[in-house]
Amino acid sequence: KAGVTQTPRYLIKTRGQQVTLSCSPISGHRSVSWYQQTPGQGLQFLFEYFSETQRNKGNFPGRFSGRQFSNSRSEMNVSTLELGDSALYLCASSLRLAGGLDNEQFFGPGTRLTVL
Amino acid sequence: AQKITQTQPGMFVQEKEAVTLDCTYDTSDPSYGLFWYKQPSSGEMIFLIYQGSYDQQNATEGRYSLNFQKARKSANLVISASQLGDSAMYFCAMREDGVGNKLVFGAGTILRVKS
Repeated sequence: KAGVTQTPRYLIKTRGQQVTLSCSPISGHRSVSWYQQTPGQGLQFLFEYFSETQRNKGNFPGRFSGRQFSNSRSEMNVSTLELGDSALYLCASSLRLAGGLDNEQFFGPGTRLTVL
Repeated sequence: AQKITQTQPGMFVQEKEAVTLDCTYDTSDPSYGLFWYKQPSSGEMIFLIYQGSYDQQNATEGRYSLNFQKARKSANLVISASQLGDSAMYFCAMREDGVGNKLVFGAGTILRVKS
């Protein structure tokens, strides 16, 4: 079974631009979560999607948005990029919305975004 | 609010020895799960072990075991017989049941295994 895939793996943008990152979950997984990892703030939860609906949201500005498609694939978008948005963005998929050992989150390799 | 504390920024261990990575947590929710992940320099997060708040026994997965002390709100990871490939960043994380799959992570501990 294929793991979580994320594209692109690396991205360089300039301030003010926007960016879209893509995540394909493990087949059969319906929940997709996004995390931002920076040296200063560590790993922070961005949002979670299940059945094409945002179910959870972290404490990030409205410039960060996402969506999920009927095949469970998810995209996140960051508009008006700032230098501080440079980070590793990780996507994770789970079978269902919550609960239990068998509902662990499997992470993708991440997209490393650099904002110049 | 949920909080995870990892007090060891970095640890060294001799190959083939055991090492304990500390993790304490804070939550008011009686139902939660605790996770440990390994992150090599490549960046990918690798799931190691899970402990549910109602589990009576400590979780074990191969060389990994979780020392769960609920009253103390601690969930330390024990790696036995360390290998060079264990060198990585290790994160403790918590998920409160009933609020989706949101994980709250600690700051992490860098483990270096010496030959």
